[in-house]
Amino acid sequence: SAVISQKPSRDICQRGTSLTIQCQVDSQVTMMFWYRQQPGQSLTLIATANQGSEATYESGFVIDKFPISRPNLTFSTLTVSNMSPEDSSIYLCSVELGRVYNEQFFGPGTRLTVL
Amino acid sequence: SQQGEEDPQALSIQEGENATMNCSYKTSINNLQWYRQNSGRGLVHLILIRSNEREKHSGRLRVTLDTSKKSSSLLITASRAADTASYFCATPMYSGGGADGLTFGKGTHLIIQP
Repeated sequence: SAVISQKPSRDICQRGTSLTIQCQVDSQVTMMFWYRQQPGQSLTLIATANQGSEATYESGFVIDKFPISRPNLTFSTLTVSNMSPEDSSIYLCSVELGRVYNEQFFGPGTRLTVL
Repeated sequence: SQQGEEDPQALSIQEGENATMNCSYKTSINNLQWYRQNSGRGLVHLILIRSNEREKHSGRLRVTLDTSKKSSSLLITASRAADTASYFCATPMYSGGGADGLTFGKGTHLIIQP
């Protein structure tokens, strides 16, 4: 597996502000993924981030609300823009490793609370 | 939309007993993964089973896959208090041919009573 870190681990933000979450991996990976886990719910894929190209967003998620950067093969950021209390969730990044086909490993998550 | 559905949604057993969780999915897959999540933290990868495998073991974990029934089960033997967590199954959202996000079931919350 890989060592995946996220910053911040948690934050409390005011309505209308934005927060950028960082995801760092200790090895080079082609694809990185961002998920959201709303309180008491399961995980939902937000977007897939490929280095050197625009992120691909899933239905219900748009770039203006969740802009993603992928400047190199070990790092990505997810910004939650113009936040509202409904954005309160755990945000997780994951990477797909080729050692065993399609295995995905997750970071520790960022717990976001919007007041 | 959710691909997998776990049952039961919650399970409480005594330490030392075995715990079985089930997962059903809707479309054809080429693999299925199980994860554990402790207290809303990050997900720990437990095991990946491929569509051409029927059973896989890892320590106290046993996973089965029945592609004809589109279902999988996770068995934890000789449970411990540290096994208390939520368990999720996940399948590829699209082709499963690599570079594929996952769709998750709703999860089973397992409580091990000391």
